[in-house]
Amino acid sequence: GAVVSQHPSRVICKSGTSVKIECRSLDFQATTMFWYRQFPKQSLMLMATSNEGSKATYEQGVEKDKFLINHASLTLSTLTVTSAHPEDSSFYICSAKRGADTEAFFGQGTRLTVV
Amino acid sequence: DQQVKQNSPSLSVQEGRISILNCDYTNSMFDYFLWYKKYPAEGPTFLISISSIKDKNEDGRFTVFLNKSAKHLSLHIVPSQPGDSAVYFCAASARSAGNKLTFGGGTRVLVKP
Repeated sequence: GAVVSQHPSRVICKSGTSVKIECRSLDFQATTMFWYRQFPKQSLMLMATSNEGSKATYEQGVEKDKFLINHASLTLSTLTVTSAHPEDSSFYICSAKRGADTEAFFGQGTRLTVV
Repeated sequence: DQQVKQNSPSLSVQEGRISILNCDYTNSMFDYFLWYKKYPAEGPTFLISISSIKDKNEDGRFTVFLNKSAKHLSLHIVPSQPGDSAVYFCAASARSAGNKLTFGGGTRVLVKP
């Protein structure tokens, strides 16, 4: 099967600091990865599409300078939450696709708490 | 504007009976549809998908039906098991939009023993 690993699973940081979340496709190459955010009891909201070797495409309303995405290789994408604030506390999930018409495989998610 | 809607926030069903989850969409460009199962504090797990060229796809206890004219899809789980208790999300994607997934709001399923 296709495995997507996300790290860390849980992080607590102080307000004003930056946090990096990693998303790795362990057994396949992913030219495209996606970053989602989920608030309690709500659906998954797409934040950005991460393309290997190029700039990420951000959804409307998502601050690209606050949520830095890097897709340096076919198996790794990172999301950095810069100058985190308590309102950034949320559940962040990445996903990766193997091809155009295949399902997306999700990481385990990262629970970010900013205090 | 929500392009993918799951109008039932919750569903309770007896073990062994059928669970039917519904999903409606508005974007006619969607050409691929998926169902995911999710537990709290975990990432979604893929269940089953269907391409717009089909109207039915079956995998074990899970069957997805697609009615393109009504822009409606459903997931049938039969027989339902207590381990099926989770939140189920339908998602849709369009090749013209880079295949990014748009999720519905989810339906919480509780299977009673």
